[in-house]
Amino acid sequence: EVQLVESGGDLVQPGGSLRLSCAASGFNFSNYLMNWVRQAPGKGLEWVASIDQDGNLEYYVDSVKGRFAISRDNAKGSLYLQMSRLRAEDTALYYCARRNFDIWGQGSLVIVSS
Amino acid sequence: QSLLIQPPSVSGTPGQRVTLSCSGSSSNIGSLTVNWYQQLPGMAPKLLIQSNDQRLSGVPNRFSGSKSGTSVSLVISGLQSDDEADYYCGTWDSNLNGWVFGGGTKLTVL
Repeated sequence: EVQLVESGGDLVQPGGSLRLSCAASGFNFSNYLMNWVRQAPGKGLEWVASIDQDGNLEYYVDSVKGRFAISRDNAKGSLYLQMSRLRAEDTALYYCARRNFDIWGQGSLVIVSS
Repeated sequence: QSLLIQPPSVSGTPGQRVTLSCSGSSSNIGSLTVNWYQQLPGMAPKLLIQSNDQRLSGVPNRFSGSKSGTSVSLVISGLQSDDEADYYCGTWDSNLNGWVFGGGTKLTVL
């Protein structure tokens, strides 16, 4: 079964850091560009970042540039999002999604609050 | 405010035909293909339509997509109660060099 499973979400203080992980299974992970998308409570979808198959090209929404870093480990079939200098407005459910957003995980909740 | 504009809400009665719209510009919809996503309450989004009008396997043919210039539409015919969900359009934007989603349309089946 093709599956993505996120983990690592937590309650963190403003200015803090957190790393999200996404474990892929059921497909050849190294063949696909991967994405992170977030959804604030009661709000719409916001694309956060993408990384190409080899990890050489990264793309970010302006609001997270310089604070978030997307990475991947093809040998482990895993995608990561390192988040630093977190703000209240980063509070959201974070999804990982495959290339064309054809496969989504169930999401990992990040709450930034003191 | 998203670069892709969707009406916040649309409603219809069972059996009716409804149209959901998504308007963009030359840097996104006008030059690239668009996908449609369905998000049922409490669930992760699901890709319904890719490349403007290609239904994913398992998606009923009651769902159809089309594109004209810088706008796309999702038509749902024979509306059913379990079609009640949020629907998002999405595509790449060449000016932002990033993916953009519409603000989403909440479909209510009366």
